[in-house]
Amino acid sequence: KAGVTQTPRYLIKTRGQQVTLSCSPISGHRSVSWYQQTPGQGLQFLFEYFSETQRNKGNFPGRFSGRQFSNSRSEMNVSTLELGDSALYLCASSLDRAENTGELFFGEGSRLTVL
Amino acid sequence: KQEVTQIPAALSVPEGENLVLNCSFTDSAIYNLQWFRQDPGKGLTSLLLIQSSQREQTSGRLNASLDKSSGRSTLYIAASQPGDSATYLCAVRTKPGSARQLTFGSGTQLTVLP
Repeated sequence: KAGVTQTPRYLIKTRGQQVTLSCSPISGHRSVSWYQQTPGQGLQFLFEYFSETQRNKGNFPGRFSGRQFSNSRSEMNVSTLELGDSALYLCASSLDRAENTGELFFGEGSRLTVL
Repeated sequence: KQEVTQIPAALSVPEGENLVLNCSFTDSAIYNLQWFRQDPGKGLTSLLLIQSSQREQTSGRLNASLDKSSGRSTLYIAASQPGDSATYLCAVRTKPGSARQLTFGSGTQLTVLP
């Protein structure tokens, strides 16, 4: 069974640009969550999607957005990039039949560098 | 607001030693707690998931315990190997009333010396 797949793995952007990251969850998983990991702040929750609906959002500015498609694949977008957006962006999927018991499985991440 | 703390931040042990990693959380109203492993530059690998109604979970040389009332979890690694070297993260899923998400600790960086 394939794991969580994230693309691209590495990318370099300049300030002011925008970026779109993609995540394909494990087959059958309907919940997709996004996390940002930086050396200073650690792992921070961005948002979660379930059946194409955002059902939870972390404390990030509106420049960070996401969506989920009918096949459960998800994308996140960051507009007007800032230097501080440089981070490893991790996607996680969960079966989540019951809302509170889902084990999260993470992808390898997308390493974004903003110059 | 849920806060998760992991002590120590770094640990270095000789191969073959048994070791314990600690995780504490401030809000005991949790659904579950999950331990992860992260190798440098990589994603997170799920090691063990403990539901709030459980006391411990075991997988191979790993054993995780949960004491919800005291807000503590431990990850026990038996007979450590150099391949166990990685950063270990614990994360808790807090019940509704706060954001429905995982709150992570900052991790323990483990080095197992051959």
